[in-house]
Amino acid sequence: DARVTQTPRHKVTEMGQEVTMRCQPILGHNTVFWYRQTMMQGLELLAYFRNRAPLDDSGMPKDRFSAEMPDATLATLKIQPSEPRDSAVYFCASGLVGRGEQFFGPGTRLTVL
Amino acid sequence: GENVEQHPSTLSVQEGDSAVIKCTYSDSASNYFPWYKQELGKGPQLIIDIRSNVGEKKDQRIAVTLNKTAKHFSLHITETQPEDSAVYFCAARGTGGGNKLTFGTGTQLKVEL
Repeated sequence: DARVTQTPRHKVTEMGQEVTMRCQPILGHNTVFWYRQTMMQGLELLAYFRNRAPLDDSGMPKDRFSAEMPDATLATLKIQPSEPRDSAVYFCASGLVGRGEQFFGPGTRLTVL
Repeated sequence: GENVEQHPSTLSVQEGDSAVIKCTYSDSASNYFPWYKQELGKGPQLIIDIRSNVGEKKDQRIAVTLNKTAKHFSLHITETQPEDSAVYFCAARGTGGGNKLTFGTGTQLKVEL
C-alpha cells in the first residue's frame, strides 16, 4: 500500500526551538510538495521539489524556514527559530512530473507555545 | 498566477440527497482539476479529477463536470451518506508552475440523518 509518510505526527515545542519535520514520498515519485494548513489561510504551498531540486519556495518565510531533499526517499522541512504563528498542520505530498496528481501524507500538527 | 474560488463554504444536506460544490478558476490555460476530501485529523485524499480535454467524469456516486468556456468546474455527490461528511477542496493546475496546484478554500459538507 503505497503512501506518503510523515514524522512526527504531533509536535509541541516552545518558541525559539528548532523544529524538523520529515516526509517519505511514495517510492518512485519525483515531485514533493510541502503545504501548511491553518483555519485562516487554508492550504498554502511552502515549497516544491522536482527530482530533488527545489523549484519554488516562494511561499516559505526564508528567514526561518528551510526545505531540503537529502535523497529521493526523504524530504525535510525545518523551522529555526519557531514562533507561535507557525502553529499549523504541515502536509507533505508527492507525485509524478507531468501527471498532476498529488498524494498527501497524514500531516504533522505543530504547536509552538 | 492561478486563482481558485470555491462555493459554498458550508453545505448541509439530508442523507440520500445530492450535494454540489462549485469552483471557478482564473487561468484559462489550466489543464488539470482534482478534488480532495479531507476528514478530521487526516490529510487530503484525492477522490476524483478531470483534465481539460474532458467535460465530465464519473466514479460511482461522485462526478465532476468542467466548463472551460466559463472556467468553472463542479463536484456532484449523489445519494449522500453520513461518511461523505468532510471538507472538500477543489484545485487547479495552472501554467508556468510545473505540477503546482492552487487550492480552493474548502467546503464543509455535513450529511444529516
